[in-house]
Amino acid sequence: DQQVKQNSPSLSVQEGRISILNCDYTNSMFDYFLWYKKYPAEGPTFLISISSIKDKNEDGRFTVFLNKSAKHLSLHIVPSQPGDSAVYFCAASANFGNEKLTFGTGTRLTIIP
Amino acid sequence: GAGVSQTPSNKVTEKGKYVELRCDPISGHTALYWYRQSLGQGPEFLIYFQGTGAADDSGLPNDRFFAVRPEGSVSTLKIQRTERGDSAVYLCASSLTGKRSSYNEQFFGPGTRLTVL
Repeated sequence: DQQVKQNSPSLSVQEGRISILNCDYTNSMFDYFLWYKKYPAEGPTFLISISSIKDKNEDGRFTVFLNKSAKHLSLHIVPSQPGDSAVYFCAASANFGNEKLTFGTGTRLTIIP
Repeated sequence: GAGVSQTPSNKVTEKGKYVELRCDPISGHTALYWYRQSLGQGPEFLIYFQGTGAADDSGLPNDRFFAVRPEGSVSTLKIQRTERGDSAVYLCASSLTGKRSSYNEQFFGPGTRLTVL
């Protein structure tokens, strides 16, 4: 069963606009959520995270929102830049971000110049 | 470099053969993780080491898969009697510690692409 779901396999956004990537989860034991970015032939790179005690975390152009009641989180990138074109994975952990991560299937973001 | 390294970057083998995949974590990182990423999927957890011991091997799909980390640094993932379904990118990650008191980012290597013919 897919405990972390990213229902949009791809997304195209104009440069300078906002990119919104969505993620849903089913396991209520998850208490830490992360976003990873992946370029071809490279490993995933940590982008931003959020604990379940918060509903928002911001780091520069990246903001993650968590809606626990809906079991939904989203990553906002504003303004979007060409270098943001990559595959974005949502991940979750049941142990405050340590030990095993459960990943979604990813969303390929393309920023159009 | 200071990142996680994995060798080989690509491995092609025949069904039924034995393969070993190596991971060199970031120096000083006590926690090491193996994940497998199949085509069109996200990384899937296999096993987690804290030091030399496997703290959680619940993701290993069957007894053909085995991993070791004898000195608490380099780790080797071993796959016996490979099957075509084992074809995937095998990712290794390390973190400073696996302690639950705070979040420690997992740093990923570039992966080993395994193809079983």
